[in-house]
Amino acid sequence: GEDVEQSLFLSVREGDSSVINCTYTDSSSTYLYWYKQEPGAGLQLLTYIFSNMDMKQDQRLTVLLNKKDKHLSLRIADTQTGDSAIYFCAEKYGGSQGNLIFGKGTKLSVKP
Amino acid sequence: DTGVSQDPRHKITKRGQNVTFRCDPISEHNRLYWYRQTLGQGPEFLTYFQNEAQLEKSRLLSDRFSAERPKGSFSTLEIQRTEQGDSAMYLCASSADGEQFFGPGTRLTVL
Repeated sequence: GEDVEQSLFLSVREGDSSVINCTYTDSSSTYLYWYKQEPGAGLQLLTYIFSNMDMKQDQRLTVLLNKKDKHLSLRIADTQTGDSAIYFCAEKYGGSQGNLIFGKGTKLSVKP
Repeated sequence: DTGVSQDPRHKITKRGQNVTFRCDPISEHNRLYWYRQTLGQGPEFLTYFQNEAQLEKSRLLSDRFSAERPKGSFSTLEIQRTEQGDSAMYLCASSADGEQFFGPGTRLTVL
């Protein structure tokens, strides 16, 4: 079935760049998303990329999409302690009305 | 605040009781989604409404679960005869025709 995989943990130092990786299986996905979840809070949409794009940049965030390998990454430049959270990759499942399939999330820890 | 709201934020119940959660989407969003998130997992899709029509249901949605969106605005999710395995965060999201915006969730604990 459809699956989205992410590494579970990432630790970086404040000011460094963070790269969170994700692989997905559904080749008919139209959109791919990155959500951020802070403790006790809901999901905040960070950015998304359409499947016919290779890259999208939005301030400190850069999304790279390799459609051939079904690989998505999120780069956070100049990572801050406030970026500490769980980051979820999600694909918009092409075979549905648009429900999202999420990975298990990558917990990003930023050390001062 | 015009974001997605959910009520209650927390619910503790005893096994076998019925519970009902409410979601108020962003106004004029015609699509509404329910997801469930357990500890250490990403959200899992439960069901989807376009206006008042329930168009899709996940296999996760057993017969004990029912969702409604009677007037195409707010939605309710009811769980009958709750089980300990129902303990989770229940998330609601709404969209117009693109990205989904999530509410803060209702955390259910079944004792």
